[in-house]
Amino acid sequence: EPEVTQTPSHQVTQMGQEVILRCVPISNHLYFYWYRQILGQKVEFLVSFYNNEISEKSEIFDDQFSVERPDGSNFTLKIRSTKLEDSAMYFCASTPLGVGYGYTFGSGTRLTVV
Amino acid sequence: AQSVSQHNHHVILSEAASLELGCNYSYGGTVNLFWYVQYPGQHLQLLLKYFSGDPLVKGIKGFEAEFIKSKFSFNLRKPSVQWSDTAEYFCAVNAPSTGGGNKLTFGTGTQLKVEL
Repeated sequence: EPEVTQTPSHQVTQMGQEVILRCVPISNHLYFYWYRQILGQKVEFLVSFYNNEISEKSEIFDDQFSVERPDGSNFTLKIRSTKLEDSAMYFCASTPLGVGYGYTFGSGTRLTVV
Repeated sequence: AQSVSQHNHHVILSEAASLELGCNYSYGGTVNLFWYVQYPGQHLQLLLKYFSGDPLVKGIKGFEAEFIKSKFSFNLRKPSVQWSDTAEYFCAVNAPSTGGGNKLTFGTGTQLKVEL
């Protein structure tokens, strides 16, 4: 069964540093997403990406965040200057078309900001 | 505000007991409804989904859920749980009619522990 792959599985970074979280969505999927889950809290939508541009973003997704699909296979989330409160599990997901066609999540990257 | 509520945060059951986890949402209009499971250290996996048609939806691993539009509910059920069902369960809603596009809004999750 096709999978969404995320790397690294765990990243520790110092406050103020830039981090890039990487995802390889399923190859024939067209929509890509980032979600995050702060420990003990619910999974929250960050951003959706379609046709090489952001299609929707949440209030959380401020100027510190950016997404990119640099090479047609990877989908990255960059946090420019990390804060302690960015510590969370970040999930990438993809869908072939709309949500009705199935939402596949990756196994997540646990980001710890110290 | 539009939201998804899961009222049971922690549930402990013995093996073979029946399970019902509550999920309520506050969106008007058409909604697409999902239940996901997250086993320890693993990613979110889809248990079942409802888009239209029969409001009783059957999913994987013996789970089912019933969409009751009048109650804005989509409760998850399993007649007889197993120790391997120990996991966190998330209800999620997609509400395209309210400008939600393709995003999912999740509930806070229910941690289920099944004891032998």
